[in-house]
Amino acid sequence: DAGITQSPRHKVTETGTPVTLRCHQTENHRYMYWYRQDPGHGLRLIHYSYGVKDTDKGEVSDGYSVSRSKTEDFLLTLESATSSQTSVYFCAMGLAQGYEQYFGPGTRLTVT
Amino acid sequence: GQQLNQSPQSMFIQEGEDVSMNCTSSSIFNTWLWYKQDPGEGPVLLIALYKAGELTSNGRLTAQFGITRKDSFLNISASIPSDVGIYFCAGQLAGGGADGLTFGKGTHLIIQP
Repeated sequence: DAGITQSPRHKVTETGTPVTLRCHQTENHRYMYWYRQDPGHGLRLIHYSYGVKDTDKGEVSDGYSVSRSKTEDFLLTLESATSSQTSVYFCAMGLAQGYEQYFGPGTRLTVT
Repeated sequence: GQQLNQSPQSMFIQEGEDVSMNCTSSSIFNTWLWYKQDPGEGPVLLIALYKAGELTSNGRLTAQFGITRKDSFLNISASIPSDVGIYFCAGQLAGGGADGLTFGKGTHLIIQP
């Protein structure tokens, strides 16, 4: 049931370098989301997209940008990675607002 | 942002026991979802609820959308070792925008042999 994938699955990078995480879905879902998961905080929304080239900020968007040039791809970019961005990042997709979201397998990012 | 209070934070139970966990909020929700997450993987959707009072089952799992629309519970009957993991509730706030779901912080289920 891998209708949504993420790459890379693991990444180690240095402070100050740019990083791009990719999310790819094959289900033609309109909505896509990027979350980060940290101990004690649960899942927090970074950015979301409600269509091609339509994106908006979530709860913890500072230091992150996104792009969606095709329905199937949603990219998350850390322009200049910081140690506070060490986290596990999850992408999710959904057919409609307020309904089920289906998650990818996650990317573990370590910023040294 | 809005918060969901999920309890308990963790549960230590014996195999074969029934499990109950819940989420509460001071806000009204239109949708309640329950997810399970295994180590190193993404959350997997277990049950979706869309109407106040709705009771839905998925195998040994049963979830209900509270009548006040401010809470939901998940029950697991006759627990087995593969039930171990973290269970999250999530909800769509009434009047919420496209940014969608609010998540609880999870219930860690640990099964003792």
